[in-house]
Amino acid sequence: SQQGEEDPQALSIQEGENATMNCSYKTSINNLQWYRQNSGRGLVHLILIRSNEREKHSGRLRVTLDTSKKSSSLLITASRAADTASYFCATDLGSQGNLIFGKGTKLSVKP
Amino acid sequence: EAQVTQNPRYLITVTGKKLTVTCSQNMNHEYMSWYRQDPGLGLRQIYYSMNVEVTDKGDVPEGYKVSRKEKRNFPLILESPSPNQTSLYFCASRAGGPNNEQFFGPGTRLTVL
Repeated sequence: SQQGEEDPQALSIQEGENATMNCSYKTSINNLQWYRQNSGRGLVHLILIRSNEREKHSGRLRVTLDTSKKSSSLLITASRAADTASYFCATDLGSQGNLIFGKGTKLSVKP
Repeated sequence: EAQVTQNPRYLITVTGKKLTVTCSQNMNHEYMSWYRQDPGLGLRQIYYSMNVEVTDKGDVPEGYKVSRKEKRNFPLILESPSPNQTSLYFCASRAGGPNNEQFFGPGTRLTVL
């Protein structure tokens, strides 16, 4: 069953602009993770935010988590053409070790 | 180098011909999973394993089998492939315990004619 749902499904911006992607989920989580996938390749982990954290930064990435609304957002600042990829959120329910992925947001950054 | 490897990377086969996609990780991870990725459907989990000899069904297990005889290996078996199993498959692993990231293999693109 799909736990996380990303929004929007697709996003097209110009280089230098900020990109914001949202993720909503249904049940309580242990942590939420964001991954990036370049076309047809394996997913790469970007950032993990624990359920007791509200905000986390990593370079140009900023992730927020609102457990009361069961939602998270990923902000990429000063985007670059190389940021073009699909971005997925994944929820870790804390049991049995499996992550549940959403359908992803396809980001296109035009030079 | 820490990695998850899959073989083959590309495979074209015919309906009913048994095949195995191998997956191996060198990080001593307890958890391993198989996903399939289809356009518009995102990543769907097929099977996962919490440790050696412990496996369980994910969201779409029909038509697949797995085994976990060794910690590092987690092969995916299609006993009688059908065209609806044409997809991009990913193996992944992660360490046990909370708050660990998952590492993905490079993917296997399977076409069943």
